Amino acid sequence: DAGVTQSPTHLIKTRGQQVTLRCSPKSGHDTVSWYQQALGQGPQFIFQYYEEEERQRGNFPDRFSGHQFPNYSSELNVNALLLGDSALYLCASSYGGRYGYTFGSGTRLTVV
Amino acid sequence: AQTVTQSQPEMSVQEAETVTLSCTYDTSESDYYLFWYKQPPSRQMILVIRQEAYKQQNATENRFSVNFQKAAKSFSLKISDSQLGDAAMYFCAYRPYGGSQGNLIFGKGTKLSVKP
Repeated sequence: DAGVTQSPTHLIKTRGQQVTLRCSPKSGHDTVSWYQQALGQGPQFIFQYYEEEERQRGNFPDRFSGHQFPNYSSELNVNALLLGDSALYLCASSYGGRYGYTFGSGTRLTVV
Repeated sequence: AQTVTQSQPEMSVQEAETVTLSCTYDTSESDYYLFWYKQPPSRQMILVIRQEAYKQQNATENRFSVNFQKAAKSFSLKISDSQLGDAAMYFCAYRPYGGSQGNLIFGKGTKLSVKP
């Protein structure tokens, strides 16, 4: 049974560019949450998607947007990249947003 | 706003010994969940143990147990018989109970080293 799959594993982008990160949830899970983990810090909640809609959002600017597809997979888009966006981006899936979150191994984004 | 504090940036333990990681949190809610996650160098967050605030009994998962003190808002993790594979970052996390409040609030983590 595949867990949460994230792609790509690593990514290097230039300031001002746009990036799209992808997440496939664990089989049977319908809710996807995204987190940003800066170096040496705990993950910070970006937003959560359920039934193809953004259900909850953390304290992140509108440059961060997302999407959930009918198969429950999700994308995280970041526009106008800043150096401070360099971080590990983690995707977590669950059933109905309840406890029992399963995390992926993340995408390491470096902005230069 | 809810916050989670881990006051020990780093901890070290001898193999086969016991270590306790500390976590305090702040919330005005009465019902919530608390978690300990392990993040090895592979980066994947792995759930170690979960505690429901309405349960008085402390959660236990094999060598891992918690000391949940609701009034003190304290949630420490005890690792018994430490193994080399326990070396990792450990994060304490809080989540409100019920509805669609799905986000986890994490502490800054404690780096655990295990000495052979």
